[in-house]
Amino acid sequence: DARVTQTPRHKVTEMGQEVTMRCQPILGHNTVFWYRQTMMQGLELLAYFRNRAPLDDSGMPKDRFSAEMPDATLATLKIQPSEPRDSAVYFCASGLGDRDGEQFFGPGTRLTVL
Amino acid sequence: AQSVTQPDIHITVSEGASLELRCNYSYGATPYLFWYVQSPGQGLQLLLKYFSGDTLVQGIKGFEAEFKRSQSSFNLRKPSVHWSDAAEYFCAVGAYGGSQGNLIFGKGTKLSVKP
Repeated sequence: DARVTQTPRHKVTEMGQEVTMRCQPILGHNTVFWYRQTMMQGLELLAYFRNRAPLDDSGMPKDRFSAEMPDATLATLKIQPSEPRDSAVYFCASGLGDRDGEQFFGPGTRLTVL
Repeated sequence: AQSVTQPDIHITVSEGASLELRCNYSYGATPYLFWYVQSPGQGLQLLLKYFSGDTLVQGIKGFEAEFKRSQSSFNLRKPSVHWSDAAEYFCAVGAYGGSQGNLIFGKGTKLSVKP
């Protein structure tokens, strides 16, 4: 049963610390998305990649957030330094990136910044 | 610009009653439309999708949705709700102008089910 995996599932950290979230997309999927979900803003697209290249990261605060795909099986989202307003659930999703726009979501990383 | 509106933030229905969740979209071309469901503490799961053809789409868990171009709507329905349907539901439209695969999500509708 192919699925997107994310680690860690929960992360509590202090303001100013670096946070790294990891995502393993479904094997064969060439498009990876990062979303942030909060009560106030709902589901926001932060960035997405096609064939490991960033296509759009306009939703991401550039000064503290960075997203990469070191290889086809790993996507990372880093926050440095973290702030309390970054507390949210971060979802990774993957897909085939063609006209069939279905995205498969991971279980999310719940981040709390104190 | 593409957008999705889910006018109902929270809906409560009795178990066994019928359900309709509303979704309106704004998109300049033929839309690709999706409904996702999110159970507490979980990621989003696809319920159904519309690309073309029959405007009434069947999905998993007994859900269906109808695409109405004239109303720019894609409402989700279920004839008889089960307690396990309590979750948050998201409508999304595919934004394919040169960046294939990007979805625009609505704010979601939270469904509560009364016994």
